[in-house]
Amino acid sequence: NAGVMQNPRHLVRRRGQEARLRCSPMKGHSHVYWYRQLPEEGLKFMVYLQKENIIDESGMPKERFSAEFPKEGPSILRIQQVVRGDSAAYFCASSPQREGGPLHFGNGTRLTVT
Amino acid sequence: ELKVEQNPLFLSMQEGKNYTIYCNYSTTSDRLYWYRQDPGKSLESLFVLLSNGAVKQEGRLMASLDTKARLSTLHITAAVHDLSATYFCAVDRQIQGAQKLVFGQGTRLTINP
Repeated sequence: NAGVMQNPRHLVRRRGQEARLRCSPMKGHSHVYWYRQLPEEGLKFMVYLQKENIIDESGMPKERFSAEFPKEGPSILRIQQVVRGDSAAYFCASSPQREGGPLHFGNGTRLTVT
Repeated sequence: ELKVEQNPLFLSMQEGKNYTIYCNYSTTSDRLYWYRQDPGKSLESLFVLLSNGAVKQEGRLMASLDTKARLSTLHITAAVHDLSATYFCAVDRQIQGAQKLVFGQGTRLTINP
């Protein structure tokens, strides 16, 4: 049973370009969460999605960031016109249910903006 | 706003010693999680603590939860080098059914031979 799959593992973008981060949840999991980890810090919640629905995006910056979880295919976190401050590790997590169990995290995508 | 604070943030210890990491949180929550993260890797779930007085043990690690004091501890017994990692506690914040974990800053644990 494959875990949460994220790709790419490392992504380098120049300022102003777009970054697309992909996440395939564990089999049977329909809830996806995106977290951001800045260097030497804990993880900060960004967005919670179910298939075709954004449930809670209170942690997402208002501009340039968007997320989706389509009926078919992986969840996508999209960052437009990246800036240096977007450099971070972005982790996706999934769970089979709304509450109660630990989240299962992917290996993360490390975004570097040059 | 829910805040989660860990201390210490950095901990260097000798193999064979015992130590405790503390996790305080600011508002009522029913669930507390401990995760381990190795450098450049993902987070591995260690413990889920569901109720006041809960205690769980796995190998040299033991976690406990006091919901009245809003405090969880992660105790390391007779540390070994393999336990070197960053340890995070996280508190479950339920908002409109969404399981939103709020993480502490992490404790970077280094165990020296």
